[in-house]
Amino acid sequence: DAKTTQPTSMDCAEGRAANLPCNHSTISGNEYVYWYRQIHSQGPQYIIHGLKNNETNEMASLIITEDRKSSTLILPHATLRDTAVYYCIVRVRSGGSEKLVFGKGTKLTVNP
Amino acid sequence: EAGVTQSPTHLIKTRGQQATLRCSPISGHTSVYWYQQALGLGLQFLLWYDEGEERNRGNFPPRFSGRQFPNYSSELNVNALELEDSALYLCASSLGRGGTDTQYFGPGTRLTVL
Repeated sequence: DAKTTQPTSMDCAEGRAANLPCNHSTISGNEYVYWYRQIHSQGPQYIIHGLKNNETNEMASLIITEDRKSSTLILPHATLRDTAVYYCIVRVRSGGSEKLVFGKGTKLTVNP
Repeated sequence: EAGVTQSPTHLIKTRGQQATLRCSPISGHTSVYWYQQALGLGLQFLLWYDEGEERNRGNFPPRFSGRQFPNYSSELNVNALELEDSALYLCASSLGRGGTDTQYFGPGTRLTVL
């Protein structure tokens, strides 16, 4: 089972910031938070990841709370092409291997 | 730099047949992962290959198998196809075993079983 909780859907106006929350209250100290998005029927696209500190790249910013129990992905100026399902993933390790465990994600709709 | 590539884009088979899906990782990546995304079920981990060996597999029957070649490309084979095998099959690659290697996904192969 996924170790994260995300809202099922969100709406955002084009040009405004989109703030996507994620709860991961059982995260372990050495687990990272990853964000991917999937535009309809395409392969998931990596967005950003972080451990403790806030991170920023050309796509988005990731804000992680001090207790690491939740995080927020910020798309600073959402466009129509940002409409997608956004997945928050806590990196799982099992027996020396690794895999991504995807939950249901948040369906973000950017409206004109 | 080329991303992860998968072929074919679409594949139509009938029940009982075998399907072979192919994946080429990003240059320099040695790990390949396979995921299944069936309608309404989300992405499910299938298999992980690294340095030519199977490192882990998800909760799928043995008729799902694969291999990784010396050039790190990979094949996923699905034998005795069933209707419920219809799904988008996604391949991802990463730099290698351990660490916090980011997985990058290909566009997927849409398998339809009639």
